[in-house]
Amino acid sequence: NAGVTQTPKFQVLKTGQSMTLQCAQDMNHEYMSWYRQDPGMGLRLIHYSVGAGITDQGEVPNGYNVSRSTTEDFPLRLLSAAPSQTSVYFCASSPGMGRSYNSPLHFGNGTRLTVT
Amino acid sequence: AQSVTQLGSHVSVSEGALVLLRCNYSSSVPPYLFWYVQYPNQGLQLLLKYTSAATLVKGINGFEAEFKKSETSFHLTKPSAHMSDAAEYFCAVSPPRHGGSQGNLIFGKGTKLSVKP
Repeated sequence: NAGVTQTPKFQVLKTGQSMTLQCAQDMNHEYMSWYRQDPGMGLRLIHYSVGAGITDQGEVPNGYNVSRSTTEDFPLRLLSAAPSQTSVYFCASSPGMGRSYNSPLHFGNGTRLTVT
Repeated sequence: AQSVTQLGSHVSVSEGALVLLRCNYSSSVPPYLFWYVQYPNQGLQLLLKYTSAATLVKGINGFEAEFKKSETSFHLTKPSAHMSDAAEYFCAVSPPRHGGSQGNLIFGKGTKLSVKP
């Protein structure tokens, strides 16, 4: 199993550009989420999904969209990039609410995004 | 609302010394608590978790943490630091309504551990 795969690893955008950060997992996990990590801020939840076709907002959803058409994929879209979205983005997955009791949250290796 | 506070954004210890990383939580009901470690340029890995069974929890790489309800704390310790322990450590809490699921974790701001030779 590859686990949680994030692409690209690095990306530079200009203000106003849009892009999609890809996340795929091959563990048949129901739950997937996106976090952003900023220095001194820890990780903050952007959006999450408890299954295909179901998404919800986390703590910092503004400026981001998600969709979950398949169990495996959970892309994060930046609609119009802003310098405040410069961050490291992590995708994570787990078997699902109520069934992940003894299973860790599996993280990808992150996408480092710079918006100029 | 639940929150997690990690005391000290940077901790430096000598190799072989005790490691103590502090975490306090606020929650109206007993939460589920976790420690994660992040090595440079990597994602987070679970070190250990507290899920209302034993209050002293043992994790990987010789780390352990003790849940103290009276102090609302979940400090991470390791008796003897190794150079390979240098990393950033995050304490996290899971809202009880999620039944201990590790979805929607609320993370602390992290503590960077440096280990001096």
